[in-house]
Amino acid sequence: GQQLNQSPQSMFIQEGEDVSMNCTSSSIFNTWLWYKQDPGEGPVLLIALYKAGELTSNGRLTAQFGITRKDSFLNISASIPSDVGIYFCAGQRSGSARQLTFGSGTQLTVLP
Amino acid sequence: KAGVTQTPRYLIKTRGQQVTLSCSPISGHRSVSWYQQTPGQGLQFLFEYFSETQRNKGNFPGRFSGRQFSNSRSEMNVSTLELGDSALYLCASSFGLPNTGELFFGEGSRLTVL
Repeated sequence: GQQLNQSPQSMFIQEGEDVSMNCTSSSIFNTWLWYKQDPGEGPVLLIALYKAGELTSNGRLTAQFGITRKDSFLNISASIPSDVGIYFCAGQRSGSARQLTFGSGTQLTVLP
Repeated sequence: KAGVTQTPRYLIKTRGQQVTLSCSPISGHRSVSWYQQTPGQGLQFLFEYFSETQRNKGNFPGRFSGRQFSNSRSEMNVSTLELGDSALYLCASSFGLPNTGELFFGEGSRLTVL
């Protein structure tokens, strides 16, 4: 099935460091979302973006909706141990369809 | 506010059997979507229901089916199970209208097919 190109696939960082991950697509999306999934849990919505060029923050998280509508990035500042998990980007096209297309995920490990 | 509830959390079946998974959405949410998550394919859209009607369907064979009841609860069924159907099946709910794209996921039902 079609997926977004998400990178990097995995990251190992020191506690306190900043993190950046991104998603690209060959198709236009009208909504970009970022989710985090912990082991044994379902994905949890972190940030939703609705307008090209939009920059949105949620605490230490900042995400941007690319101007071309074909990409998005997520930054995490001053990482802490509980940031560990898998981060997914997801895009939704316009119209009545509510399904999301997901990236393959970025596995984040925070080292003490 | 209770989240999305999926049952059962874990189940083991053998090839050829069928399985039914249940999802109770967040109160007030009218849209329920189902996704399959596997290590190889990631999160793949199965189908979406809104007001008891299937609105969209992903690229899965007809063995995968679902339905939604008048109270917005949903079930999905997989018949004639194959080894490749082993996966985490995630249910997600949303208000549906307006269509914001914001889905709220349950913890999933982990299916193992032997």
